[in-house]
Amino acid sequence: QSALTQPASVSGSPGQSITISCTGTSSDVGSYNLVSWFQQHPGKAPKLMISEVSKRPSGVSNRFSGSKSGNTASLTISGLQAEDEADYYCCSYAGSSTWVFGGGTKLTVL
Amino acid sequence: EVQLVESGGGLVQPGRSLRLSCAGSGFTFDDYAMHWVRQAPGKGLEWVSSISWNSGSIGYADSVKGRFTISRDNAKNSLYLQMNSLRAEDTAFYYCSKDRDYDSSGSLDQWGQGILVTVSS
Repeated sequence: QSALTQPASVSGSPGQSITISCTGTSSDVGSYNLVSWFQQHPGKAPKLMISEVSKRPSGVSNRFSGSKSGNTASLTISGLQAEDEADYYCCSYAGSSTWVFGGGTKLTVL
Repeated sequence: EVQLVESGGGLVQPGRSLRLSCAGSGFTFDDYAMHWVRQAPGKGLEWVSSISWNSGSIGYADSVKGRFTISRDNAKNSLYLQMNSLRAEDTAFYYCSKDRDYDSSGSLDQWGQGILVTVSS
């Protein structure tokens, strides 16, 4: 159960698009379409933004989208807004009823 | 309104035990899998354990396997985490979270506010 690999930080200007990668292995991300993405603002509980690779829960802006290729999943945020500044975490099923999170990515909106 | 409220946290000495509880309301508790996720202060999220709707499927992170036990009482709409042989590295905020499915799908769509567990002498 090694943590998934995410960039420590990404940044973008308002209106731009950014992509956060989440790299795992053939035992987790590569084997299951069970990758979720969470947004966490300081001092707050995480919020589900994307489930099952690319499904957007009700209430989540359509500026957020998810995808996967091989062992790497990605979260794209288009039309960046100030309120998107937060930490983002990916999470994948790793088999045998276990799950693994990524190390987290701090998004800065310049 | 869905609510998840954790309790039972606090300061505990290394090697001792603690039991966390999570009370769910505003949804049909026994329709959903549940998870515990923790976050050391200033650090990232770490999945700890999950349990399916009927307790038939349970999983643990390697870091807690053999020391922590997850359970649920659907009649009481409650989730538990029995933590034994606690270590300093178990110090974290512990979140109770609800899965969107009866068996775990990783779609943790509701979270509690978190409760702090501090392991220190």
